[in-house]
Amino acid sequence: QKEVEQNSGPLSVPEGAIASLNCTYSDRGSQSFFWYRQYSGKSPELIMFIYSNGDKEDGRFTAQLNKASQYVSLLIRDSQPSDSATYLCAVIRNNDMRFGAGTRLTVKP
Amino acid sequence: DAGITQSPRHKVTETGTPVTLRCHQTENHRYMYWYRQDPGHGLRLIHYSYGVKDTDKGEVSDGYSVSRSKTEDFLLTLESATSSQTSVYFCAISDTRGTDTQYFGPGTRLTVL
Repeated sequence: QKEVEQNSGPLSVPEGAIASLNCTYSDRGSQSFFWYRQYSGKSPELIMFIYSNGDKEDGRFTAQLNKASQYVSLLIRDSQPSDSATYLCAVIRNNDMRFGAGTRLTVKP
Repeated sequence: DAGITQSPRHKVTETGTPVTLRCHQTENHRYMYWYRQDPGHGLRLIHYSYGVKDTDKGEVSDGYSVSRSKTEDFLLTLESATSSQTSVYFCAISDTRGTDTQYFGPGTRLTVL
């Protein structure tokens, strides 16, 4: 079992829809959770981080954390073609950041 | 890219040759990291540094060495490159470790023939 698992996709949604990206992690001791966006050929850039159970909103993005279920998700509202990218989930465990392999999102005009 | 540069950006080399990749930061962050990114594996930590001359191994350190002689520079060396080390290499920085966001450099695409 991988430490951080994501559905590789591709996930395709129409413009204006809500995109839902999911991530599960194996270690209950994981402390901090991050979502990065990576455009093709570019470096990962931070979208959001979340430390506590519940929802955290930033503009069109909402991160959701459920530590009991070891599950973190990212919702993108009003999806735009510019949101088309690979989304990486990252989890800090024992001071090391562990990454999922990423979910590729395509937003179709 | 948060004041992080990597050089070279692209490199093609042959099996058995030594290769050094450089990461330079202008943010004065204490922690610096080297990752490799391969399809299906995501980003995997090779080595990290927590100060000048202070380094430690990551998840996939075999075949790699690092050095940090100045706060702003972190070097990754492949002593004798192999085809399995063909990858995209990212440097990252953070102010603390364990809770802090990591910021990534632009990456180096390395091909070992």
